[in-house]
Amino acid sequence: EAGVTQFPSHSVIEKGQTVTLRCDPISGHDNLYWYRRVMGKEIKFLLHFVKESKQDESGMPNNRFLAERTGGTYSTLKVQPAELEDSGVYFCASSQVPPLSSYEQYFGPGTRLTVT
Amino acid sequence: KNEVEQSPQNLTAQEGEFITINCSYSVGISALHWLQQHPGGGIVSLFMLSSGKKKHGRLIATINIQEKHSSLHITASHPRDSAVYICAVRLNYGGSQGNLIFGKGTKLSVKP
Repeated sequence: EAGVTQFPSHSVIEKGQTVTLRCDPISGHDNLYWYRRVMGKEIKFLLHFVKESKQDESGMPNNRFLAERTGGTYSTLKVQPAELEDSGVYFCASSQVPPLSSYEQYFGPGTRLTVT
Repeated sequence: KNEVEQSPQNLTAQEGEFITINCSYSVGISALHWLQQHPGGGIVSLFMLSSGKKKHGRLIATINIQEKHSSLHITASHPRDSAVYICAVRLNYGGSQGNLIFGKGTKLSVKP
């Protein structure tokens, strides 16, 4: 079974440009999470989808960030326009819904975003 | 102060040593995760605990819910164990099904 995949693995863009990150969760996982680690800080929650619906987006830093999960499969996270402080590693994770699991989350490899 | 605190931040050990990494948290939780991240790599889930103790190979994780504390132990450490170990907790309120709060991680380096 394929794990959580993310694309691209690394993106370097200039301030003001737009970048779209993609996450493909494990097939059948209804829960999808986005997290971010900025330099020197702990990983922080961004938002949580259950299927195509946003369950919790309390961690989204501002309205320059837009997450979608059309059809409840893969998700995209768009940053527009990107700022220097958006640099970091963006992780995606997915989990099944009980009773199939206890919300154990499986993480993707992350996308390293560098804004110059 | 973070809701999840790990210690130590950095740890250097000799191959074969017994290693302990600690995690304390200040919120009510439904589960605690121990995660591993190798340099340049993604995050791997090692354990998810809600009580007691779990063992997998040379790794042992324990949790004391009353004391809000968890430990990750590595027996007979090996250079390939070198990685960042991250403690993360899942809250038990708010209705959100599982977003995690993370510690800053413990960077472990095991020398041959």
